[in-house]
Amino acid sequence: DGGITQSPKYLFRKEGQNVTLSCEQNLNHDAMYWYRQDPGQGLRLIYYSQIVNDFQKGDIAEGYSVSREKKESFPLTVTSAQKNPTAFYLCASSVRGAGETQYFGPGTRLLVL
Amino acid sequence: AQSVTQLGSHVSVSEGALVLLRCNYSSSVPPYLFWYVQYPNQGLQLLLKYTTGATLVKGINGFEAEFKKSETSFHLTKPSAHMSDAAEYFCAVSRGAGGYNKLIFGAGTRLAVHP
Repeated sequence: DGGITQSPKYLFRKEGQNVTLSCEQNLNHDAMYWYRQDPGQGLRLIYYSQIVNDFQKGDIAEGYSVSREKKESFPLTVTSAQKNPTAFYLCASSVRGAGETQYFGPGTRLLVL
Repeated sequence: AQSVTQLGSHVSVSEGALVLLRCNYSSSVPPYLFWYVQYPNQGLQLLLKYTTGATLVKGINGFEAEFKKSETSFHLTKPSAHMSDAAEYFCAVSRGAGGYNKLIFGAGTRLAVHP
């Protein structure tokens, strides 16, 4: 089945620790996205990538980093510089171009110990 | 700058009643508009979208939305609510400048359906 997988489902971060969230897609999409979801705030764009080896900052990139070494994969690292990382993180992918449907993964919930 | 406003963070209806979830947008260019649904602790699923053409858009699960340019609205409706419709609904507009497909989401509306 084609789709987007995210792992782990739950992730716990200790103070000062970097953690990496995985996102993989087998839809053959060029574009991939990371969103952060907080209660009552909808989704906010962290980073996006239109093509392998290229990515752009979204609206709330501070404290996060990404890489896009393979078309299928777009991992997100939450660094120790992100002071309020507790949130639900969603990965999405789409065909390139304005107005194309973004397909979402099941999400990773990050909690701070 | 583009933005999306969803009126009402919580909407409650009885089973079998009309569902109306409101969405207004601002956009300096013709918009692409989307409605997504999210069940607890899950990702988002596309309900329907408007790109060009017919202003009344039909989606999955009996939902539809009408693009009204004069009112800058894209309200979501369903004639008869079902218990399984209880979820959170997000309206979004695409920022298409430069060919990028970035979405701006509204804050969401949580729909409760009572027996």
